[in-house]
Amino acid sequence: GESVGLHLPTLSVQEGDNSIINCAYSNSASDYFIWYKQESGKGPQFIIDIRSNMDKRQGQRVTVLLNKTVKHLSLQIAATQPGDSAVYFCAENIRTGFQKLVFGTGTRLLVSP
Amino acid sequence: DSGVTQTPKHLITATGQRVTLRCSPRSGDLSVYWYQQSLDQGLQFLIQYYNGEERAKGNILERFSAQQFPDLHSELNLSSLELGDSALYFCASSATGGAGEKLFFGSGTQLSVL
Repeated sequence: GESVGLHLPTLSVQEGDNSIINCAYSNSASDYFIWYKQESGKGPQFIIDIRSNMDKRQGQRVTVLLNKTVKHLSLQIAATQPGDSAVYFCAENIRTGFQKLVFGTGTRLLVSP
Repeated sequence: DSGVTQTPKHLITATGQRVTLRCSPRSGDLSVYWYQQSLDQGLQFLIQYYNGEERAKGNILERFSAQQFPDLHSELNLSSLELGDSALYFCASSATGGAGEKLFFGSGTQLSVL
């Protein structure tokens, strides 16, 4: 199973470039955000998360930025590699007391060697 | 490997039929979620269970139902299938289902309704 066929925005980069994937979320009350990576034939895989009391969080080669003023989330991937090619989804946790993740439509990242 | 197991991987059936999708959560996780991924809708939350009880409901049709068993595995039942039900169905699990927990996804079941 894969996301091929979804009418997704696509970001094409060269290997070694930095990639920035953007996401606009919907609910100003959302308190937790996650970026997932979905490779062909696989389920979404957790990359990095951030809580609403932060505006930046760094992982290994990835950084997530949160701008609550404009309800915008971005994922920065440093030194992009061909293995980073996938569909990337942002997800927001709608504050209900329980976990209810709402996913964005996704962005396809294509990395050329 | 996320530790979440879904079976079958592929399912082909006809309109009007009923199918059951199965999910085993990660060891120790008490909460299970079902998501539908279709070509035009992206990942849509269907339903969540915690320790055998329904906890949250999303865009789940009345023709669909789910349950979580005492051993914590979950089944998603889809009945009176329509062509538009063709999609990838994902199961995910988390420790307690509380807000702010990471969800771990299985590899999905690809359902094709012909």
